[in-house]
Amino acid sequence: NAGVTQTPKFQVLKTGQSMTLQCAQDMNHEYMSWYRQDPGMGLRLIHYSVGAGITDQGEVPNGYNVSRSTTEDFPLRLLSAAPSQTSVYFCASSLNRYGGGSPLHFGNGTRLTVT
Amino acid sequence: DQQVKQNSPSLSVQEGRISILNCDYTNSMFDYFLWYKKYPAEGPTFLISISSIKDKNEDGRFTVFLNKSAKHLSLHIVPSQPGDSAVYFCAALNNAGGTSYGKLTFGQGTILTVHP
Repeated sequence: NAGVTQTPKFQVLKTGQSMTLQCAQDMNHEYMSWYRQDPGMGLRLIHYSVGAGITDQGEVPNGYNVSRSTTEDFPLRLLSAAPSQTSVYFCASSLNRYGGGSPLHFGNGTRLTVT
Repeated sequence: DQQVKQNSPSLSVQEGRISILNCDYTNSMFDYFLWYKKYPAEGPTFLISISSIKDKNEDGRFTVFLNKSAKHLSLHIVPSQPGDSAVYFCAALNNAGGTSYGKLTFGQGTILTVHP
């Protein structure tokens, strides 16, 4: 199993550009989520999904869109990049939707810089 | 409003000694707590967890203690090894009877350095 795979590893965007961060998992996990990590802030939840076709907002959803058309994939779209979106982005999945007894498995992250 | 706080940005410990990482929370609805470990250029990996119905959980060299009245948890690593050098995040969950959808709230992280 590859686990949770994120692409690209690094990306530089200009303000106003759009892009999609890819995330795929091969563990047949029901729950997937996106976090961003910023210095001094820990990881903050952007969006999450409890199954194909079901998504919801997390703590910091503004400026991001998600969709979940398959169990395996959960892409994160930046509609119009802003310097405030410079961060490291982590995709995570867990076997069931409830989290407590099913810890999150994280990808290795995408480091995004917006100039 | 930081609901989960790790007030020590860094901790330095000698190999073989005990490492104690601390975490405080403000939301009394949190009922499940986890620790994650993160190496540079990798994603966090799950280390150990504890339910609010317990006050201690042990897994090998790692023990998590929960003090609900103080809203405080700690991770003890004994003995510490150089390979334990990493960033440690505590995280909390309001399981809400099984409807929380795994929405973890993370602390800021503590950088642990274990010197040989």
